Amino acid sequence: EVQLVESGGDLVQSGGSLRLSCAASGFSVSDYYMNWVRQAPGGGLEWVSILYSGGDIFYADSVDGRFTISRDISRNTLSLQMNNLKADDTAVYFCVKGGIRGTNFDFWGRGTLVSVSS
Amino acid sequence: SYVLTQPPSVSVAPGQTARLTCGGDHIEKRGVHWYQQKPGQAPVLVINDDRDRPSGIPERFSGSNSGNTATLTISGVEAGDEADYYCQVLDGTSYVFGTGTKVTVL
Repeated sequence: EVQLVESGGDLVQSGGSLRLSCAASGFSVSDYYMNWVRQAPGGGLEWVSILYSGGDIFYADSVDGRFTISRDISRNTLSLQMNNLKADDTAVYFCVKGGIRGTNFDFWGRGTLVSVSS
Repeated sequence: SYVLTQPPSVSVAPGQTARLTCGGDHIEKRGVHWYQQKPGQAPVLVINDDRDRPSGIPERFSGSNSGNTATLTISGVEAGDEADYYCQVLDGTSYVFGTGTKVTVL
């Protein structure tokens, strides 16, 4: 059974840093495109970053240069290092497994809340 | 960047049909995916690549894509279908979500 469990969300001051983790089970994070998607309070979904199975990485313009996605194959985890956080980064962050063709998202974790105070 | 537009809300009586639209420039050339998100829960993929239903999704959910509009149709709406629905496409190396439609079952 596929499971994704996020952790690391917290209240942090503007300009601060935070590291999110996602523990995967039921599949290997190295075999699929893995993503972070966020949702601001009362808002819609916003794609944040992707780590391809082959290792390529891409970011949304809103976080490029501040966030870093990575994976630990031995621990089967996905991480998101977030630096220079802004109030606009306040959101629930979902760890998301990409579909087999990499065009969509076929399984989502329950999310972890990041709150940035200004 | 590519923009997807959805109506903010749709209301439908139980047993009736809800049609949710997702507008985008020449969207018919892209595969459109639909997600259902109930309050306090993570999104769930309900339609893949315009019209394919993932395993476990009821046949009441169907999709289509033509011209500048993709449509998610929910037939025989049930109370449990009340949720936010988002469309999504791949745009180069990034992913775009629609603004979301809240479905209210009367």
